[in-house]
Amino acid sequence: KAGVTQTPRYLIKTRGQQVTLSCSPISGHRSVSWYQQTPGQGLQFLFEYFSETQRNKGNFPGRFSGRQFSNSRSEMNVSTLELGDSALYLCASSWNWNEKLFFGSGTQLSVL
Amino acid sequence: AQKVTQAQTEISVVEKEDVTLDCVYETRDTTYYLFWYKQPPSGELVFLIRRNSFDEQNEISGRYSWNFQKSTSSFNFTITASQVVDSAVYFCALIAHGSSNTGKLIFGQGTTLQVKP
Repeated sequence: KAGVTQTPRYLIKTRGQQVTLSCSPISGHRSVSWYQQTPGQGLQFLFEYFSETQRNKGNFPGRFSGRQFSNSRSEMNVSTLELGDSALYLCASSWNWNEKLFFGSGTQLSVL
Repeated sequence: AQKVTQAQTEISVVEKEDVTLDCVYETRDTTYYLFWYKQPPSGELVFLIRRNSFDEQNEISGRYSWNFQKSTSSFNFTITASQVVDSAVYFCALIAHGSSNTGKLIFGQGTTLQVKP
């Protein structure tokens, strides 16, 4: 059974640009959530989608957005990148909100 | 608001030693779920255990064991006879019931475990 797949694995962008990250959940999982991991702030919740609906959003500026498609695949977008957006972005999928989350390997974003 | 505290930032042990990773949580919800995840250098978070707030039974899985105590809001993790392959960052996490909490897993800061040969 394929795990959670995130693409790309690494990204280098410059300030002001925008970026789109992709996540393919485990087949059958309808909940997809995104987390940002930095050395200073640790793991922080970005948002969670279930059946194409955003059910919850973390405390991040509006530059961070996401969506989920009918096949449960999800994308997150960060516009007007800032240096502080450099982080490992992790996607996770599960059957539902309280079930164990299966994480992808993440996308390492570097903003120069 | 929910909060998870892992007071131990780094722990270093010698192989075959037992080690306990502490986790203290805060939540006002009566229904919640606690998790432990392992993050090896590769970066992917690996699920270890999930426990709901109504099940205080301790659990043992091979060399791993977990002690859940609601009275002290703690969910500690013990590795018996540690091995070098156990070296990783370990995260304790909490998710509470309620519309404002849906899908929002709250992580502790993590404990870096180094097991030396």
